Amino acid sequence: QKEVEQNSGPLSVPEGAIASLNCTYSDRGSQSFFWYRQYSGKSPELIMSIYSNGDKEDGRFTAQLNKASQYVSLLIRDSQPSDSATYLCAVWDFNKFYFGSGTKLNVKP
Amino acid sequence: DVKVTQSSRYLVKRTGEKVFLECVQDMDHENMFWYRQDPGLGLRLIYFSYDVKMKEKGDIPEGYSVSREKKERFSLILESASTNQTSMYLCASLQDRGNGYTFGSGTRLTVV
Repeated sequence: QKEVEQNSGPLSVPEGAIASLNCTYSDRGSQSFFWYRQYSGKSPELIMSIYSNGDKEDGRFTAQLNKASQYVSLLIRDSQPSDSATYLCAVWDFNKFYFGSGTKLNVKP
Repeated sequence: DVKVTQSSRYLVKRTGEKVFLECVQDMDHENMFWYRQDPGLGLRLIYFSYDVKMKEKGDIPEGYSVSREKKERFSLILESASTNQTSMYLCASLQDRGNGYTFGSGTRLTVV
């Protein structure tokens, strides 16, 4: 079973700040990494994927991957109250995702 | 848009009852999954299926079974419900990894 670890939070940041969410994984052979966002009472939805070492930017979101350190992160620039949610890190394993337990982000106006 | 529909949003069942959770997707996806989500434990895979009549155990299959008689429908069965099966159950459908899962809205099951 693959382990995906996240700090449960909550992580509180002021509006307009950068939120940094972190994730580590146990299987050195993992190749594909994903971030899902889950609003309270809702289902998770995919927001980012990253497959190669380095950074991948999509609007206000940047995913970072360091396979040598087995570390994935998600940066949210110019955080908005609407970004308040739980962020789930996920690792793709051949035919399914393994999820971390999620980090709750609170963006304060 | 792909839609994954779970038949019930909230369910309350008694200990020992047989419980059926239904999931239907409308985009002809071959891959379907059942997870449960609990605070602090995240999403844990119960069962998944790659095709009609195919099923594979996930990480926590004990106490559960599944049925996939038609491509669009994947049912989760609690053979004899117990209080430790009180949870949020999420069904998901998958076309390919790049698009991620499409989740249903979830069924919050309470076993009393």
